[in-house]
Amino acid sequence: DTEVTQTPKHLVMGMTNKKSLKCEQHMGHRAMYWYKQKAKKPPELMFVYSYEKLSINESVPSRFSPECPNSSLLNLHLHALQPEDSALYLCASSRLGGLVETQYFGPGTRLLVL
Amino acid sequence: AQSVAQPEDQVNVAEGNPLTVKCTYSVSGNPYLFWYVQYPNRGLQFLLKYITGDNLVKGSYGFEAEFNKSQTSFHLKKPSALVSDSALYFCAVRDRGGGGADGLTFGKGTHLIIQP
Repeated sequence: DTEVTQTPKHLVMGMTNKKSLKCEQHMGHRAMYWYKQKAKKPPELMFVYSYEKLSINESVPSRFSPECPNSSLLNLHLHALQPEDSALYLCASSRLGGLVETQYFGPGTRLLVL
Repeated sequence: AQSVAQPEDQVNVAEGNPLTVKCTYSVSGNPYLFWYVQYPNRGLQFLLKYITGDNLVKGSYGFEAEFNKSQTSFHLKKPSALVSDSALYFCAVRDRGGGGADGLTFGKGTHLIIQP
């Protein structure tokens, strides 16, 4: 089973709202990732967690706040977003330990900021 | 910085014909290369990856890719296209060297359209 689940599927929020995206995997993977994909563009890396610790932050604005409460869960907390933050947010997970592990992606959360 | 280029925005192939989706790479060090496919309103599905070893990599759904070091290419191929192969295909390269968790840098994507 290589399933990564993400909730909600769709989210509409105003610029003053606070919301959270959730990602879950039960494959025993110890690395988890957030990517952002704008329309008609490739995904771009935002954050990487290794063993529940933030290991890479690609200079993402502080209005995006990641959290990894345990090895199966990854959250992305959103606050005071801008309309240009509207995008598909993809979560991925992979094993750790091999030379180059495969990342498995969830279906994404489509976010619209009004 | 690692990068990949997909020179074609769109590739059109008749059903039953062989298909090729092109990808070239630019890396410092060893290239770790991937192909993913994205169907409309869906996440990315892993097809195959090259780490080391055989230059011909076999993957899911009958796809394969040929790694060519002299041409710095990693083209995706399939001997006989299906209409259901129509989707957006991304080539990707691992951002840094092997070991540990690391992000992927994706090409711009190629729309593959298989005509019945």
